[in-house]
Amino acid sequence: GENVEQHPSTLSVQEGDSAVIKCTYSDSASNYFPWYKQELGKGPQLIIDIRSNVGEKKDQRIAVTLNKTAKHFSLHITETQPEDSAVYFCVGSNYKLTFGKGTLLTVNP
Amino acid sequence: DSGVTQTPKHLITATGQRVTLRCSPRSGDLSVYWYQQSLDQGLQFLIQYYNGEERAKGNILERFSAQQFPDLHSELNLSSLELGDSALYFCASSEGYTIYFGEGSWLTVV
Repeated sequence: GENVEQHPSTLSVQEGDSAVIKCTYSDSASNYFPWYKQELGKGPQLIIDIRSNVGEKKDQRIAVTLNKTAKHFSLHITETQPEDSAVYFCVGSNYKLTFGKGTLLTVNP
Repeated sequence: DSGVTQTPKHLITATGQRVTLRCSPRSGDLSVYWYQQSLDQGLQFLIQYYNGEERAKGNILERFSAQQFPDLHSELNLSSLELGDSALYFCASSEGYTIYFGEGSWLTVV
């Protein structure tokens, strides 16, 4: 089955800095890679996704990149704000979602 | 608000007991998923239903079972509860690729 590794497990940045979270996946058949943000006491919320036929996607301060050859994908958040503080999950998907372990992002004011 | 509704939000029960968690998917979504989230195991996929039929099975214990009803709502039944079953249980639904999560049901087994 699919195995998704996510790094780092914790990340602390200063407000305004960029944050990068990296993931690798094992199943070459995976073709959909969503990212979820989970705030304390809430369910995971989809923030951006990318399909395997696209190498990069951007939505305002958030961007994702995908390298299918290396089986790597990354989340980039620019101009971080305190409200970006949350746990972020990367996901690899063929027919079912496989979640990474999560990254606790803390943005310090 | 994702549109996925879960009840109850919080539940405390004793070991050996049985509980039922309920989920109403987003309007029109045919797929329902159940996930378990704990500190040590992360977010674990349990089971998926599509239009009333089981579609995929993950790390679901034999003491757990689920079903999806004709009106598409779903229930997750947890029996012979153990302390280690304490976790946050999420329901999610989808119509295509994108999966939307509910707010979860916090289960505490004492």
